[in-house]
Formats: sequence, C-alpha cells, structure tokens
Amino acid sequence: KAGVTQTPRYLIKTRGQQVTLSCSPISGHRSVSWYQQTPGQGLQFLFEYFSETQRNKGNFPGRFSGRQFSNSRSEMNVSTLELGDSALYLCASSLPTSGTGGELAKNIQYFGAGTRLSVL
Amino acid sequence: LAKTTQPISMDSYEGQEVNITCSHNNIATNDYITWYQQFPSQGPRFIIQGYKTKVTNEVASLFIPADRKSSTLSLPRVSLSDTAVYYCLVGDMYSFNKFYFGSGTKLNVKP
Repeated sequence: KAGVTQTPRYLIKTRGQQVTLSCSPISGHRSVSWYQQTPGQGLQFLFEYFSETQRNKGNFPGRFSGRQFSNSRSEMNVSTLELGDSALYLCASSLPTSGTGGELAKNIQYFGAGTRLSVL
Repeated sequence: LAKTTQPISMDSYEGQEVNITCSHNNIATNDYITWYQQFPSQGPRFIIQGYKTKVTNEVASLFIPADRKSSTLSLPRVSLSDTAVYYCLVGDMYSFNKFYFGSGTKLNVKP
C-alpha cells in the first residue's frame, strides 16, 4: 500500500506570494492533518480534515487555510507569505475514528516526507 | 490538552539498551500514549502505542505505570541508524484532538 504522498518536495517563494501544497493520504484513510515544523518551534499542528470538513484547528493566522476533497486528498494554502513561514510542512493521514475503541480509534498518524518551503 | 516533557537529548553506544522517559502528568482517561521517530528532513514514523502496563512490538517496548503519568520507551540494542528524534505524544483515542508533539528527545548513538 502506498504511503502518504506530498507534493512538491521543495518550494522556493518570495514574500507576499501564496503557495499551495498537496497531500494524498494512504488509501482508505479519511483523516488528514497538517503540521509545520521549524527548528525554533518544533512540530506544530495546523489543522485536521475529515470527510471534507475541518474538525480541528491550531493557533495559526488565517493566512493558513486548507481543504479536503471527496477522495480525501488535501491541499494547504498559505497566502501573503512571510519569511517566518519557511518550514517543513508535514501531512499525516489516519484511519477514521470510531467510538467503539479498537485499532480504528487510536489515531495513529502516518506522515509524508513533507514539503520544504523556503520564503525569500 | 495533555502536554509532555522529555529529555532534550541522550547519548548511547551501539548495542546498548536505551530508555527514554516521558512525563505527562495531565493525561486523561481517554488518552493513549504514542511514540514517533523522526529522521532529518523526513516525517515522523510511528513506533509504538499503549494505554497501560507494557506493550512490545518488533522494534521497541513501552512501559506505562499504573498512574499513567509517565511512560518509558525502551529500544533494545540500538544501532547507529537509531540516531533520530523521538517524540512522545498523548492523545484522545476516541476523537482527534490537537496532538502536542513537544520538543522530542534527540538520541545520538555512537559507535
């Protein structure tokens, strides 16, 4: 089974531009979450989508947005890029949760290799 | 949201057993404890998960005391390729919440 695929792997943008990152989850996974990783702040949660709906959101400004399509693929968009947005952006997918416990409820996340964004 | 505390770094030698302890004093009843491994410029990789007592898989063991306020990841006979950052996560097992990764523990395995 193919893993989580993120495209592109590397991206260089300039301040003020916008960028869209793509994530294809593992087949059958319906939850997709996004993280930002920087040397100073570590791994920080951005948001999570499930069945095309944003269920959870981290403490990031509105310039960071996302969406999920009916095939569970997800995109993340950052508008008006700032130098501080330079980071590794990671996408993770997981099996849908259930209220009955078992493997489906344990929220194990499978990460992609990430997109390295450099803002100049 | 249960936060975790781990040592910033640890050193070990090849062939030794390594134990990394994570503190999570505010763990909730529905929270599972999950450990991830991350190599530079890669996404974190799931290692092991547990709720209480001891869990073992082909790569690691996880020890959780009865009060669940801490957990210990045990890596048997580490090799140079185990040099990585290890994250302890505490999260709700019934619904997705904002997983807090913390700073992780940088394990440096020496020859």
